[in-house]
Amino acid sequence: GQQVMQIPQYQHVQEGEDFTTYCNSSTTLSNIQWYKQRPGGHPVFLIQLVKSGEVKKQKRLTFQFGEAKKNSSLHITATQTTDVGTYFCAGRDSGGGNKLTFGTGTQLKVEL
Amino acid sequence: KAGVTQTPRYLIKTRGQQVTLSCSPISGHRSVSWYQQTPGQGLQFLFEYFSETQRNKGNFPGRFSGRQFSNSRSEMNVSTLELGDSALYLCASSEGVWGSPLHFGNGTRLTVT
Repeated sequence: GQQVMQIPQYQHVQEGEDFTTYCNSSTTLSNIQWYKQRPGGHPVFLIQLVKSGEVKKQKRLTFQFGEAKKNSSLHITATQTTDVGTYFCAGRDSGGGNKLTFGTGTQLKVEL
Repeated sequence: KAGVTQTPRYLIKTRGQQVTLSCSPISGHRSVSWYQQTPGQGLQFLFEYFSETQRNKGNFPGRFSGRQFSNSRSEMNVSTLELGDSALYLCASSEGVWGSPLHFGNGTRLTVT
């Protein structure tokens, strides 16, 4: 079945440093969504990418969808303590269906 | 709009028992998905219901079942509980159309002893 891996699993950064998490799927994706889960909370939708090579920005966050639609990345510029949490990518297989397969997640910790 | 509501928030059960979890989606959302979250396995898809029909199913044993009612509320049932079923069970609602984002509830924390 479809597998979605994320690296790194954990990342500790100093406030102000940049952060990137990478998402890789075993199959071609029809779209990819990103979610953030704060400690003790539930995943919250951030953004969706659909087109090959698509890049979207939300303030300090930059999301990219790979040309082959099998990988994606999330880059945070100048991290803040409010960025703490686990970031998940989630993809829908291009073979059909509406099942979202979540990545393994990257846990971000930001130290002052 | 009110968010996704899951009840109960916490449950403690013993092995062999069964449990029913409830989820009320955002008003107007016709799709409800269930996920199991554990530290070791991450977010694992259980099933998705749309307009009272199971539309997708994950790779969980038949002990895990669900249903959706005409008002879109959904229940998930786990029978013959095992220790490994201890997890956070998350319900997510969406409009159900392609590309619609998932809106998660706060989850039900199930502990099996």
